[in-house]
Amino acid sequence: QEQLVQSGAEVKKPGASVKVSCKASGYTFSDYYIHWVRQAPGQGLEWMGWINPKSGDTNYAQKFQGRVTMTRDTSISTVYMELISLRFDDTAVFYCVRDQEPQSQVLYYFYGMGVWGQGTTVTVSS
Amino acid sequence: DIQMTQSPSSLSASVGDRVTITCRASQSINTFLNWYQQNPGKAPKLLIYAASSLQGGVPSRFSGSGSGTDFTLTISSLQPEDFATYYCQQVYSAPQSLTFGGGTKVEIK
Repeated sequence: QEQLVQSGAEVKKPGASVKVSCKASGYTFSDYYIHWVRQAPGQGLEWMGWINPKSGDTNYAQKFQGRVTMTRDTSISTVYMELISLRFDDTAVFYCVRDQEPQSQVLYYFYGMGVWGQGTTVTVSS
Repeated sequence: DIQMTQSPSSLSASVGDRVTITCRASQSINTFLNWYQQNPGKAPKLLIYAASSLQGGVPSRFSGSGSGTDFTLTISSLQPEDFATYYCQQVYSAPQSLTFGGGTKVEIK
């Protein structure tokens, strides 16, 4: 079945960086955009940006520009999200999410985000 | 950026109740609006896309409506597994930007 499997929980100190992986399986990796969504403890969902696994193109939410980098390794169907200069308020669960429709579909983003990873908890603590 | 405002932020209801959640956009987004359900400790799940289209496998007691700036998610008869947090999401400004609402927590009365 189509799934995204993320790397395990991380504990980092303020100022450090974290790199979370998201391995896709059960579908053609390059066909679907992947987004990253952050959720701080007890808070709502926050979209961070996306990567096009086919081209490597990225687009980041303004809030995270300069601190986040999304990359991919097509040979192992994996995308990565790296966040630098971590702060205490970066403590959160990070989800990778796949679009429901492939990028070949007109207005593919219209159809929502249909496949979610299990989430990776990143704790920033001194 | 387009802002999404959900109301109420939380509500208490009983099994069998009809529940309505509202989502308002800061500008017209046509029907570029999705709804997600998140159970505690779990990843969100897509319920409705394009304002009113039910995602495959989602029970028919869920429905969505609206266009422009005002949208609603309705649960016709609340079931025990429906006690969760619900989020709206605009994709009108996609792919450049996507925005979630603040969420509505549905709790047991």
